[in-house]
Amino acid sequence: IQLTQSPSSLSASVGDRVTITCRASQGIRNSLVWYQQKPGKAPKLLIFAASTLQGGVPSRFSGSGSGTDFTLTISSLQPEDFATYYCQQLNSYPLTFGGGTKVEIK
Amino acid sequence: QVTLKESGPVLVKPTETLTLTCTVSGFSLSNPYMGVSWIRQPPGKALEWLAHISSTDEDSYSPSLKSRVTISKDTSKSQVVLTMTNMDPVDTATYFCARMNLTKGREGTAAFFDYWGQGSWVTVSS
Repeated sequence: IQLTQSPSSLSASVGDRVTITCRASQGIRNSLVWYQQKPGKAPKLLIFAASTLQGGVPSRFSGSGSGTDFTLTISSLQPEDFATYYCQQLNSYPLTFGGGTKVEIK
Repeated sequence: QVTLKESGPVLVKPTETLTLTCTVSGFSLSNPYMGVSWIRQPPGKALEWLAHISSTDEDSYSPSLKSRVTISKDTSKSQVVLTMTNMDPVDTATYFCARMNLTKGREGTAAFFDYWGQGSWVTVSS
């Protein structure tokens, strides 16, 4: 199952609403996860089962979607949110990741 | 406190075999709701899932690497081992191990990687 993330990068300002999409090449129900990765660090789990916020993750992060189309939204971008975001499907093996979306400061 | 820590060589030569060990703590590798995967990330590139082993020793592999990769575990030592044969410079990457958590929710079982190791940098060069 291929995951296509868009955009591959974006520039935004603090306070902006940011939306990242992830499209699966076939239906994966709600078996989609979002991670945040900062340079030199391991990925951090943000959202699982497409829309369930991991404990400790700020509520400005939200996820939606089912089947083939998914969205990660950051309602009001904060300085610590500048990072690369990855989606991953865990519906079936082989597990796959999207190509990543780099969120940069405008 | 859950931790995972990768260990292994920093430098391997082309055609050699890489062996990486992931030592876990804070959970048991026999827990039916847990598994461990290996994931790698070449410099400046995206994450790539390599292999997974479940609590019952069921293993799964990336099709592109299946002929070269083996995953195994020693529950008594709390270790998961990845071996990759015939290493090539394109295999230069940071190698992560991560815990897969299986949680029952309203819509069935959800899976996700909730804990990751810090990563182990591996360079393939002669």
